Amino acid sequence: GAGVSQSPSNKVTEKGKDVELRCDPISGHTALYWYRQSLGQGLEFLIYFQGNSAPDKSGLPSDRFSAERTGGSVSTLTIQRTQQEDSAVYLCASSAKPGKLFFGSGTQLSVL
Amino acid sequence: GENVEQHPSTLSVQEGDSAVIKCTYSDSASNYFPWYKQELGKGPQLIIDIRSNVGEKKDQRIAVTLNKTAKHFSLHITETQPEDSAVYFCAASKSNTDKLIFGTGTRLQVFP
Repeated sequence: GAGVSQSPSNKVTEKGKDVELRCDPISGHTALYWYRQSLGQGLEFLIYFQGNSAPDKSGLPSDRFSAERTGGSVSTLTIQRTQQEDSAVYLCASSAKPGKLFFGSGTQLSVL
Repeated sequence: GENVEQHPSTLSVQEGDSAVIKCTYSDSASNYFPWYKQELGKGPQLIIDIRSNVGEKKDQRIAVTLNKTAKHFSLHITETQPEDSAVYFCAASKSNTDKLIFGTGTRLQVFP
């Protein structure tokens, strides 16, 4: 596909369960970002990858959150022991040029 | 770190009128200021951007102005149309980090 692909589009889980969110960036884009968007709020930065390394993970809310990127392509955001406050839309973006981000449609996470 | 404030949070205009959204930033080292449009159920999409060496940039009905001294920038949409209805986000970044810090968004409604 031509755009950033995220899966699943919706995820409902129970409090305390682990979840994995996947992002397929645009082919050739070396930079990949994860943002979180809570209802009616702005976009909160979580982590940024350049290739497979993460030079900036300052936005991860707690040690329950982790992310990895393999082969300079697909990235997975993992949330362990989910809490209700983790409910949000998780957006992934990729870019080939600094600042020009292309976003996916996001994963709506609901923690019951 | 950088902090971006955005106003207003909601804006309603009549079709054909102009709409203005304003943002301020805190870090004088920021030098790149994009604007994103987010339609319902989709990820944000870049619509226009400006760098700190330019005071104004236009693209058809959309323009962005930047005042580095005051550390604020604005989005101007002229001759608004119903399809302009969406949530608009401003953002700021420093070229050496690539991380975008977003404002909290403005929900624009254009009434026919």
